[in-house]
Amino acid sequence: KAGVTQTPRYLIKTRGQQVTLSCSPISGHRSVSWYQQTPGQGLQFLFEYFSETQRNKGNFPGRFSGRQFSNSRSEMNVSTLELGDSALYLCASTGTQGANTGELFFGEGSRLTVL
Amino acid sequence: QQQVKQSPQSLIVQKGGISIINCAYENTAFDYFPWYQQFPGKGPALLIAIRPDVSEKKEGRFTISFNKSAKQFSLHIMDSQPGDSATYFCAASKRGAQKLVFGQGTRLTINP
Repeated sequence: KAGVTQTPRYLIKTRGQQVTLSCSPISGHRSVSWYQQTPGQGLQFLFEYFSETQRNKGNFPGRFSGRQFSNSRSEMNVSTLELGDSALYLCASTGTQGANTGELFFGEGSRLTVL
Repeated sequence: QQQVKQSPQSLIVQKGGISIINCAYENTAFDYFPWYQQFPGKGPALLIAIRPDVSEKKEGRFTISFNKSAKQFSLHIMDSQPGDSATYFCAASKRGAQKLVFGQGTRLTINP
């Protein structure tokens, strides 16, 4: 069974640009959540989607947005990039069992560098 | 109330020794406490998890100890091996929620 796939793995942007990151969950998983990982702030929850609906949102500015498609694939977008947005963005998916156990299956992340 | 505090930030243990990482939480609504292991270049992976209705859970060399009254939980790695060298994160969430609140992480190094 393939794991969570994130693309692109690495990207470099400049301040003011926008970026879109993609996540394909494990087959059959309907819940997708996104986390930002930085050395200073650690792992922080961005948002969670289930059946194309945002169920929960973290404390990030409106420049961070996401969506989920009918096939459970998800994208997140960051507009007007700032230097502080440089981070590893992790996507995680959960199946029905995970919804009760809390187990998240993480992808390897998309490493964003903002210059 | 959403914080999970983790210590130490880094830990060096000799091969065969016991590695101990501690976490404390504030929000009494948390009822699921997982530990994740992350290797460089990889995403975190679930190692072991516990719910507050038990005080200890053991899986192989990994044990979680949970103290509900103190709002603390810890990870013990017995007979630590060089392959255990990784960053460990404790986390907490409310039942059924996918929002995990993570500790800051502990970089564990096992010296051969």
